[in-house]
Amino acid sequence: GAGVSQSPSNKVTEKGKDVELRCDPISGHTALYWYRQSLGQGLEFLIYFQGNSAPDKSGLPSDRFSAERTGGSVSTLTIQRTQQEDSAVYLCASSPLGGAYEQYFGPGTRLTVT
Amino acid sequence: ELKVEQNPLFLSMQEGKNYTIYCNYSTTSDRLYWYRQDPGKSLESLFVLLSNGAVKQEGRLMASLDTKARLSTLHITAAVHDLSATYFCAVDKSNTGKLIFGQGTTLQVKP
Repeated sequence: GAGVSQSPSNKVTEKGKDVELRCDPISGHTALYWYRQSLGQGLEFLIYFQGNSAPDKSGLPSDRFSAERTGGSVSTLTIQRTQQEDSAVYLCASSPLGGAYEQYFGPGTRLTVT
Repeated sequence: ELKVEQNPLFLSMQEGKNYTIYCNYSTTSDRLYWYRQDPGKSLESLFVLLSNGAVKQEGRLMASLDTKARLSTLHITAAVHDLSATYFCAVDKSNTGKLIFGQGTTLQVKP
């Protein structure tokens, strides 16, 4: 079946611009996660959605970052007023129920801020 | 704050040799995951370890978990070139699925 998909695969933006990154989880998966992978910081948790519960935003690095999940499916990660330190690969993952279930990762969006 | 540390960070080995990657973590957790990442690719799940003493094997890879020692190992038996990749361990923070990753171990298997 279809895995987790993300778009765009690559995004180059100028410093100060806003960007939106999209994630389509595996159908039926109620849990959705965003992570960031960068050379300096490694793999970092950003935000977690589980069903209709309020998202866990504890990993978001600043208030320029926000995310939403519509209809319990597609999620969008928005970065406002991008900075060069935002350059990274943004990975989305989903799992059937969260918790102990394994997470299936998408291919990622490589964001470059110039 | 939960910290996850892998050792070594880089490993170059000959085909046919055995080696072990270590993953230490700083606070109590009984859920640990191993992932593989090929260059330019995303993360592929290898093992999910959910209890003390858990051992799982797939091909030439075997993972184990000792929650009392806060240690997981990934053992490679008779390495082959196809195993060349970066391996990450990750610990579930708060049993929610929020994963805290180690730094990754880049494995290079030479013919």
